[in-house]
Amino acid sequence: EPEVTQTPSHQVTQMGQEVILRCVPISNHLYFYWYRQILGQKVEFLVSFYNNEISEKSEIFDDQFSVERPDGSNFTLKIRSTKLEDSAMYFCASMAGPTSYEQYFGPGTRLTVT
Amino acid sequence: GQNIDQPTEMTATEGAIVQINCTYQTSGFNGLFWYQQHAGEAPTFLSYNVLDGLEEKGRFSSFLSRSKGYSYLLLKELQMKDSASYLCAARTDSWGKLQFGAGTQVVVTP
Repeated sequence: EPEVTQTPSHQVTQMGQEVILRCVPISNHLYFYWYRQILGQKVEFLVSFYNNEISEKSEIFDDQFSVERPDGSNFTLKIRSTKLEDSAMYFCASMAGPTSYEQYFGPGTRLTVT
Repeated sequence: GQNIDQPTEMTATEGAIVQINCTYQTSGFNGLFWYQQHAGEAPTFLSYNVLDGLEEKGRFSSFLSRSKGYSYLLLKELQMKDSASYLCAARTDSWGKLQFGAGTQVVVTP
């Protein structure tokens, strides 16, 4: 069964450093998402991406965040200058198309900022 | 404002039935989802309702009332492996954005 994959599974970085979280959505899916979940809190929407551009972003997704689909398979989330409060589990998700409803979540990347 | 409310925790016995309620107030609405999440893992899809009524899928059923902003997830014949957090989420736009509740931790006891 096709699945969303994410690398790395765990990333430790120092405050102020840049990190790139990588995702490979399910092949032929057209809609891509990033969510985050701070430990013990709810899952929060960050950004949706379609047709090579951001379709919607949340208040969390400020100028420090960017997303890119550099080739036909990868979807990345970059945090330019990490803060302690960016420590969270980051989930990538993909959805097939406009008539679909199910989003398939990847296993997540646990980001720890020290 | 936007709000999705569900109870924090529920405990039930193996073999029993548990109903998790969710109320929502969102600026847009395009369907109500239930996800299961085990600790440290990704959410996995359980059910989707966009029209009023009951959707049944094996041991799990989900109900939606759009006029009341209310949904519930019914888990029947509880098994120990059902111990997990159950997340209620509303799709609030046509791009698929999901807004999640805080989750209900279900504890199944022997």
